[in-house]
Amino acid sequence: KQEVTQIPAALSVPEGENLVLNCSFTDSAIYNLQWFRQDPGKGLTSLLLIQSSQREQTSGRLNASLDKSSGRSTLYIAASQPGDSATYLCAVYRGRDSNYQLIWGAGTKLIIKP
Amino acid sequence: DTAVSQTPKYLVTQMGNDKSIKCEQNLGHDTMYWYKQDSKKFLKIMFSYNNKELIINETVPNRFSPKSPDKAHLNLHINSLELGDSAVYFCASSQTLSKDAGTKNIQYFGAGTRLSVL
Repeated sequence: KQEVTQIPAALSVPEGENLVLNCSFTDSAIYNLQWFRQDPGKGLTSLLLIQSSQREQTSGRLNASLDKSSGRSTLYIAASQPGDSATYLCAVYRGRDSNYQLIWGAGTKLIIKP
Repeated sequence: DTAVSQTPKYLVTQMGNDKSIKCEQNLGHDTMYWYKQDSKKFLKIMFSYNNKELIINETVPNRFSPKSPDKAHLNLHINSLELGDSAVYFCASSQTLSKDAGTKNIQYFGAGTRLSVL
């Protein structure tokens, strides 16, 4: 059974710092991995999707890496800003054909202090 | 225009009532989903529809019945509401759902419906 764990559950850092969020999964036979952010009272926004054949994806100040063999992914945020404050969720795709679906971590709540 | 919109945003109701949550996407996507986010913030898939057909039906009580009148809409009807149904329900859509489809799997979410059963 695939389980997704995100550590830490919460993180508070001063503005301007670079930071890393961690995601681990128990079954390395995944197809894709996706990072989302969730803002209070709003839906989830997709940040990056890493396909199983890729090792990383970059979008602006965000860089996500994937190491399937060790069952880990990291989300690196450069030069953090108060607007980055949100809950960051990691999700992995597993299953085949009609059972292909996302399995979610519980998220890391990030607070960037001005 | 909101890509994935769900209504209502808040729903407070009594135990035993029947309620519906509506979801519409204007992205032209083929696949739509309903998720439940519990108090511990875990998201769990409830249902997934592809071109109006049910493709994922996780273990949820049969009091929950999804209905997809067309591929742009996926509504969730809940009968005989219970206290444990209190949660945030999210609708989402994607172009497709396939292990070989890469970025076409990216899911776009609605803002959520916070259901409180008293």
